[in-house]
Amino acid sequence: AQSVTQLGSHVSVSEGALVLLRCNYSSSVPPYLFWYVQYPNQGLQLLLKYTTGATLVKGINGFEAEFKKSETSFHLTKPSAHMSDAAEYFCAVSERNDYKLSFGAGTTVTVRA
Amino acid sequence: GAGVSQTPSNKVTEKGKYVELRCDPISGHTALYWYRQSLGQGPEFLIYFQGTGAADDSGLPNDRFFAVRPEGSVSTLKIQRTERGDSAVYLCASSLGSGSSLTDTQYFGPGTRLTVL
Repeated sequence: AQSVTQLGSHVSVSEGALVLLRCNYSSSVPPYLFWYVQYPNQGLQLLLKYTTGATLVKGINGFEAEFKKSETSFHLTKPSAHMSDAAEYFCAVSERNDYKLSFGAGTTVTVRA
Repeated sequence: GAGVSQTPSNKVTEKGKYVELRCDPISGHTALYWYRQSLGQGPEFLIYFQGTGAADDSGLPNDRFFAVRPEGSVSTLKIQRTERGDSAVYLCASSLGSGSSLTDTQYFGPGTRLTVL
């Protein structure tokens, strides 16, 4: 069975500072990995995903994530935070060629002016 | 274009009552998913439809929960004899329907917040 752990339920960053959200997974076979963002009163939106190939994945809004098999991690970063990045972020996994997503508990990001 | 829509956005009911939650997927999406998000947790898979049929209902917590998609588009999640523990945000997602997250992206609706008093 797969599981996803997001370290830190809340992260506060200054505008312009690095955003780093941590995600670790537990799976016997490297799964597909996803980051979703949820803005207030909106549905979850896919930021990026890793399936195969290059381990550094670039997504929308300047976010990127790196798959590290040896660390079973898929941390999300953005070099410079904007006020508009304030939202809740979810890491998710699915088994290869499956459709079912398993989500972490989420990390809420606040951005200080 | 229009995204996934869910109605109502909020539903308050009393313990023991029956509720229906509606999902309108993106036009042309054959796959539809329901997830439940309890307070402080990530979404949990409930059921997956491919067309009109429930291809996987392994996430439904018990037989009080049922979902239908009679014409392969709109879906309704039905909860009988609601309990306080059913309080959560119910999310619907749809995708083109390849059956694999390799090529299929799930697009989520804003959810229905269900409160059982």
